[in-house]
Amino acid sequence: EVQLVESGGGLVQPGRSLKLSCAASGFTFSNYYMAWVRQAPKKGLEWVATISTSGSRTYYPDSVKGRFTISRDNAKSSLYLQMNSLKSEDTATYYCARLYDVMDAWGQGASVTVSS
Amino acid sequence: DIVLTQSPATLSVTPGESVSLSCRASQGISTSIHWYQQKSNESPRLLIKYASQSISGIPSRFSGSGSGTDFTLSINRVESEDFSVYYCQQSYSLPLTFGSGTKLEIK
Repeated sequence: EVQLVESGGGLVQPGRSLKLSCAASGFTFSNYYMAWVRQAPKKGLEWVATISTSGSRTYYPDSVKGRFTISRDNAKSSLYLQMNSLKSEDTATYYCARLYDVMDAWGQGASVTVSS
Repeated sequence: DIVLTQSPATLSVTPGESVSLSCRASQGISTSIHWYQQKSNESPRLLIKYASQSISGIPSRFSGSGSGTDFTLSINRVESEDFSVYYCQQSYSLPLTFGSGTKLEIK
């Protein structure tokens, strides 16, 4: 069974940093692109980042480019999202998703609140 | 960026009715559209990929159609478990974008 389990969420002050993790199991992690998608409270879904199988290629929307960094450790079947210079508008539930052309498996989400 | 416009924002139906949800892209995207269902307090779930391709484990009452700029998710005879929010998403070009969602609610 495919499982994606996010961790590392919490309350953080504006301008500070936070790192999310996603532990994958039930599939060969190194064979898949992976992504982060977020959802602000009562809002829709927003793509945040994508990473290639080896980690050599990463992609971001303008809203987080330069502040967020996606990375992976294939030996640990883990995905990460380093979030720097956090803003109140980054408050959201962050989902990791397996990307095989489409996002065919999702984690349960990690809540991030940016507030002073 | 490709903007996806979903309509209606809310659809009120009676269980047993059949419904169609619309997703319109701001430019042609071939069939690079995917549909997700999100129940309250749950993660999204993939329903349909590439406009009309079925997904293993998804009930056959869900189907998709369309190409270019206009896409439709159809639910044949809505069941109680189907009341949730539905999102479309395009993978034609970066940035990946989602529609704002259609909420299917009980009438």
